Formats: sequence, structure tokens, C-alpha cells
Amino acid sequence: SQKIEQNSEALNIQEGKTATLTCNYTNYSPAYLQWYRQDPGRGPVFLLLIRENEKEKRKERLKVTFDTTLKQSLFHITASQPADSATYLCAYMNTGFQKLVFGTGTRLLVSP
Amino acid sequence: GAGVSQTPSNKVTEKGKYVELRCDPISGHTALYWYRQSLGQGPEFLIYFQGTGAADDSGLPNDRFFAVRPEGSVSTLKIQRTERGDSAVYLCASNLMENTGELFFGEGSRLTVL
Repeated sequence: SQKIEQNSEALNIQEGKTATLTCNYTNYSPAYLQWYRQDPGRGPVFLLLIRENEKEKRKERLKVTFDTTLKQSLFHITASQPADSATYLCAYMNTGFQKLVFGTGTRLLVSP
Repeated sequence: GAGVSQTPSNKVTEKGKYVELRCDPISGHTALYWYRQSLGQGPEFLIYFQGTGAADDSGLPNDRFFAVRPEGSVSTLKIQRTERGDSAVYLCASNLMENTGELFFGEGSRLTVL
């Protein structure tokens, strides 16, 4: 069955640097991938969606790529700020478009 | 309200008790989802409603878990004979099925079973 994997280890970077988070899937390419941000004690908040036929999507300081050859999506935050510290979740919609399946998330810590 | 509302925000109960968790989705959203999230894990799918009917309940762990959405709006997740392993944050989300599946989440109900 399809699995989605994110690095469970926290990513620590310095303010101003670019943070890059990885999401890998195991089998078929999903129609699209979504990225969410989750702060402690809060529900996830949608950030970006990228379709299978799109290589890259941008929104302000955020950029998402989708490489169907590598079966991977990368999520970048440029000019990172301490306020970007949170857990970032990758998710794909199953083929029936009935449920969003999440990875475990990667915690990002941006130090001043 | 403007967002997805979940009540209670915190629930502490004893093993074996019955619990109800409520979700009030964004007005007009036809799809409603329940997820469960344990510490350090991503949200785990439980059940999905399209309107009043459960279109996919494959994530419900066993028959102690049940969810309803009688009028196609508010939903209640019901857990019978709670066990300590049921302790988690229960998240509700909604969306418009016309869009590409972006989910709008509530803040969750934290359930602790002692």
C-alpha cells in the first residue's frame, strides 16, 4: 500500500537560511500532494498544494517541488524566521479523493 | 462561525466510560473528516462524511467507535467503553468537495482516558 514518509528527526537551522523538508512516497504518484503547518496544540493549517504534472509551486517564501522520478516532494522556506518554527506535514489524497493521508511530520526549529 | 469548531477542547474520562466529541464544520462545507493524532505522529484518518452519509469509515479502529452527521452539518464522534489507548487528539476537518481537497481543521479535542 502507498506510504508517505517524512524525516522524523527535527530540523534545526539558523534564521535567514533556507529550510528544506522532504516527503517521500513509496508506490504510485498521487494526483497531488499537500503541505500543512501545525503548531503545538493547534490543528494543521493548509499551506500549499502541488499537482503531479507540476514541477514547482511558490507562495511568498514557500516553494514546493514534486519529482515523480524520485517519488519525492521537497518543501522549502527561504529567509527562514523563528516564527516559522512548527511541524510541517506532507499529505496525499488517495485515488478515490476521499481521504487525505498524512506523513508523521517534520519539526522545524529556526534559531535567531 | 468562521472556522471549524470542536467541543470539548479537553476531555478527561475513566476507562470504560462513554465519550462524545462534537464538530461544527464551516458553513456550506459538504465533506467532513475525523482524524486522530497521537503525540509525535501525523493525523490518522478515521472517517469521512459526504453530506449525511459516511462515505468511508475504513479508519475507525473497532466497533467501539462510531460517528454520525444526521443533518449534514454537525458531526459527533462517539467512543464506547473507552480504553487508555484511545487517548489522543481527535481532529475534525471540513472542505468543499468542489475544490482540490484542502482541508480546514479545527483545533481538536484532547481526550485523556485514565
